[in-house]
Amino acid sequence: DAKTTQPPSMDCAEGRAANLPCNHSTISGNEYVYWYRQIHSQGPQYIIHGLKNNETNEMASLIITEDRKSSTLILPHATLRDTAVYYCIVRFRVFTTSGTYKYIFGTGTRLKVLA
Amino acid sequence: GAVVSQHPSWVICKSGTSVKIECRSLDFQATTMFWYRQFPKQSLMLMATSNEGSKATYEQGVEKDKFLINHASLTLSTLTVTSAHPEDSSFYICSASTRGREASPLHFGNGTRLTVT
Repeated sequence: DAKTTQPPSMDCAEGRAANLPCNHSTISGNEYVYWYRQIHSQGPQYIIHGLKNNETNEMASLIITEDRKSSTLILPHATLRDTAVYYCIVRFRVFTTSGTYKYIFGTGTRLKVLA
Repeated sequence: GAVVSQHPSWVICKSGTSVKIECRSLDFQATTMFWYRQFPKQSLMLMATSNEGSKATYEQGVEKDKFLINHASLTLSTLTVTSAHPEDSSFYICSASTRGREASPLHFGNGTRLTVT
């Protein structure tokens, strides 16, 4: 089961900042938060990830609350090409012999950037 | 870097036939690969986790005899849909994580659209 909840949809004016929230209230101390986006009929594209500290890269910023129960992805200057479904994922450890992780997708937020 | 190539990008097959989908990590070694499927207007659903050199781990409700996964090398995993039926028509997406890097993100292929007639 997905460990995240997101609003189903959001609109944002072109050129403005898009702030996409994500709730992950059951996150454990060593679980990372990842953000991906998916444009129609393509594979998800990695955006950013973090554990505790805020992170920034050329695509976006990730703000994680101090209690780590929620985070916000910020696209500083949204463009029409940012229209996509954005997924927030908590990666969690699977305790099997292989010792791997799972990445379970929630329903995501459909962001529409308006001209 | 970190490119995942998936082939074919689309395939149409007749009911009862089998289809193989390949997933390759082009410039990194992938200890673990994941297979997802996605129906229209829905999110990605994890089907199975594939570790190099060992049997895949399937999610609950995914038939392992129906969806055969082989991960024979650190750069290649295959998903074979056996005896395909129209209800298997879906978008199949593979992903891979970089070997040896604990927090490295998943890298996804561009998916394979399977249509079973």
